[in-house]
Amino acid sequence: AQKVTQAQTEISVVEKEDVTLDCVYETRDTTYYLFWYKQPPSGELVFLIRRNSFDEQNEISGRYSWNFQKSTSSFNFTITASQVVDSAVYFCALSEALEGNKLVFGAGTILRVKS
Amino acid sequence: SAVISQKPSRDICQRGTSLTIQCQVDSQVTMMFWYRQQPGQSLTLIATANQGSEATYESGFVIDKFPISRPNLTFSTLTVSNMSPEDSSIYLCSALGVSGANVLTFGAGSRLTVL
Repeated sequence: AQKVTQAQTEISVVEKEDVTLDCVYETRDTTYYLFWYKQPPSGELVFLIRRNSFDEQNEISGRYSWNFQKSTSSFNFTITASQVVDSAVYFCALSEALEGNKLVFGAGTILRVKS
Repeated sequence: SAVISQKPSRDICQRGTSLTIQCQVDSQVTMMFWYRQQPGQSLTLIATANQGSEATYESGFVIDKFPISRPNLTFSTLTVSNMSPEDSSIYLCSALGVSGANVLTFGAGSRLTVL
């Protein structure tokens, strides 16, 4: 069955620090997708990235980067030079092709960036 | 890009009443889903809204409590029936294919408070 674990419940950093949010997943499927979403205080879920199981290349987008490692079933998210506006809840999620693309979410990590 | 609109955005309801949440997508989508986010929690899938047929419910959710309709490829409703305070949550509509293949896009959510 699908499962996503975000072991970090809450992280606090000072502005300009780098921070990594961990995500570990479990799946029986060979074809699956991994996602990160951001939920700012306003409540709306913002899509950040999707990665499919056949593409292990790391990705960088501005201050955001993602490290996908199938060997450890991890899909970690790093924010470089964090800013106060990065304060939000971040969710890692998994969908399996065999499960009709339904998303299973991790518990979320609350990130607080202090000025 | 396509937009998902939900209404109401928030409501305060009395115990024992029912409320219907509407979800409108401004383009045709293949799949629509309803999620629940209880206070301080992650997102849990309620059901897949199937166009022209009965919704597919996840374990722990039943049609009598959460009837869902999806009359066409752009619209769905979720009813929360016979509400109790435990139903106080954010209910989110989502659609697949709005922002790219295999990417689930979410509406802003409907925050229900049951007194």
